[in-house]
Amino acid sequence: EAGVVQSPRYKIIEKKQPVAFWCNPISGHNTLYWYLQNLGQGPELLIRYENEEAVDDSQLPKDRFSAERLKGVDSTLKIQPAELGDSAVYLCASSFRPLYEQYFGPGTRLTVT
Amino acid sequence: AQSVSQHNHHVILSEAASLELGCNYSYGGTVNLFWYVQYPGQHLQLLLKYFSGDPLVKGIKGFEAEFIKSKFSFNLRKPSVQWSDTAEYFCAVSIAGGFKTIFGAGTRLFVKA
Repeated sequence: EAGVVQSPRYKIIEKKQPVAFWCNPISGHNTLYWYLQNLGQGPELLIRYENEEAVDDSQLPKDRFSAERLKGVDSTLKIQPAELGDSAVYLCASSFRPLYEQYFGPGTRLTVT
Repeated sequence: AQSVSQHNHHVILSEAASLELGCNYSYGGTVNLFWYVQYPGQHLQLLLKYFSGDPLVKGIKGFEAEFIKSKFSFNLRKPSVQWSDTAEYFCAVSIAGGFKTIFGAGTRLFVKA
């Protein structure tokens, strides 16, 4: 069974530039999560999808962050414009249903200079 | 607000020592409980989970955890650690009301050979 796929694995950009992250969840997993993980901390939810519907985006900074999951499968998270404080690891995870165990991708390590 | 507390941020043990990592959460309703592990250079992966039933659950690699409802705790244990257990361990709580999953800040375990 293929795991959660994320790309790119690493991204270095200058502040004020846009950046996008892509995630393909495990086949059959309806629930998709985007998390932010800062050094020394646990993952913090940015947005949760049930199929193509964003059901929890309360922690997503909507002035600069956006996400989509158009066909209820893969998803894209975008930041525009990026700020220095956005440097972190962005994790994607999926689960069969909410509250079930989550399967994580390798993450994208973003560095904003 | 709901939260998950992991008592130790860094733990150093010698091989064959016993391990107990603390996890407490603040929520009075129904929860699912998880421990995830991240080995160096690898993805976050599930170590064990508790949904209901026997409060003592066993996971992979000889780990176990005990849910004590009255103490809002879900501590992770292993009777004898190995060098290969060196990793970061995250406690997570999924809350039925709102379908939120909250992660602790993680405990970094280093096992000396």
